[in-house]
Amino acid sequence: SQKIEQNSEALNIQEGKTATLTCNYTNYSPAYLQWYRQDPGRGPVFLLLIRENEKEKRKERLKVTFDTTLKQSLFHITASQPADSATYLCALDIRSNYQLIWGAGTKLIIKP
Amino acid sequence: DTGVSQDPRHKITKRGQNVTFRCDPISEHNRLYWYRQTLGQGPEFLTYFQNEAQLEKSRLLSDRFSAERPKGSFSTLEIQRTEQGDSAMYLCASSPARQNTGELFFGEGSRLTVL
Repeated sequence: SQKIEQNSEALNIQEGKTATLTCNYTNYSPAYLQWYRQDPGRGPVFLLLIRENEKEKRKERLKVTFDTTLKQSLFHITASQPADSATYLCALDIRSNYQLIWGAGTKLIIKP
Repeated sequence: DTGVSQDPRHKITKRGQNVTFRCDPISEHNRLYWYRQTLGQGPEFLTYFQNEAQLEKSRLLSDRFSAERPKGSFSTLEIQRTEQGDSAMYLCASSPARQNTGELFFGEGSRLTVL
């Protein structure tokens, strides 16, 4: 069956450390993988997109890796801050039916 | 602010009533999406418009749900004879085109509570 898995447990990280979130998928061949941030009661906000032929993408303190062999993406936030606390969602673009396929998200808590 | 706008932000209704949500996308975006999200889950695709044409509708969407985008600008999502299982956040998103980033721009959502 097709599925996307993100850490279901909340991730608690000390301020200043690097937070690493995972997104694993099975039985998909995504052309793109996207990461979004969602705050409580708000809509998701786009952060980064990585293509299937890219290994790594960076934006300021954010870094995303994409391993199509392992079927996994890692999302890193370096020098984490309490303001980074949110739920982070990964989404697969499989170039079919105009849909993104979403993970359930991982709640990240950065403690001061 | 010229982002995606949704109205109302919150709606409480009794089971069996009809509800309608409105979405105003970013003005130059021709693609519009509706998603539904329940607590602890990712967004679930409902339907997609390119301009005024509804090109895709989820098989999960029952006949009680209907969406329109009459002039290729704003869109409405109507739920008839609401059920408690319809309680969720209804998210609208828009995008300019698929060729570039594929990034979706979401509104703040309309939270529906069915009593």
